Amino acid sequence: GAVVSQHPSRVICKSGTSVKIECRSLDFQATTMFWYRQFPKQSLMLMATSNEGSKATYEQGVEKDKFLINHASLTLSTLTVTSAHPEDSSFYICSASSTGPYQPQHFGDGTRLSIL
Amino acid sequence: TQLLEQSPQFLSIQEGENLTVYCNSSSVFSSLQWYRQEPGEGPVLLVTVVTGGEVKKLKRLTFQFGDARKDSSLHITAAQPGDTGLYLCAGALGDSNYQLIWGAGTKLIIKP
Repeated sequence: GAVVSQHPSRVICKSGTSVKIECRSLDFQATTMFWYRQFPKQSLMLMATSNEGSKATYEQGVEKDKFLINHASLTLSTLTVTSAHPEDSSFYICSASSTGPYQPQHFGDGTRLSIL
Repeated sequence: TQLLEQSPQFLSIQEGENLTVYCNSSSVFSSLQWYRQEPGEGPVLLVTVVTGGEVKKLKRLTFQFGDARKDSSLHITAAQPGDTGLYLCAGALGDSNYQLIWGAGTKLIIKP
């Protein structure tokens, strides 16, 4: 149980392109979804938290107009990197969690984004 | 700023040896989660500890939550090459999953 699917797994595109990443909870309702960025050999850096039907809460230093997050249903959240540039290249990971105390986050397999 | 200090950051040992990874903080956590991540994949949850002093076992892995719920340890007995990976601890503030404080990770390599 608690499967999270993230798509695509890898994207290579030109500078200036907008890229959408999907995160789906397959067998549970994800009231909260999280988007992380991970640099090589480092831990996870939280970018934003989204609750179904609400605007996302962004961490300090993360541009909300650059990283658009939509969480329109209990099973789907999307992250759109707008007008991507080479410095946006990274490993992006989503996680999802259901309501209730001590509910852990379940992670997708990540998206490797490479901007040329 | 809440910090969760994880050590060691890197560990390379021979198959069959034992090892312990530590996560320490000055903050009190309502729960603490341990994850394992392989290259190019997302973290996979190993265990969640909630009660101070709690000990959980997962085959050769033993997880302990400190009495004051400020620290935790992961002990692996008779490590195997399949244990190789990045181990991450994450402490939760409050009783929700909203805010996790992440350790820096421990890159573990088990040599055959």
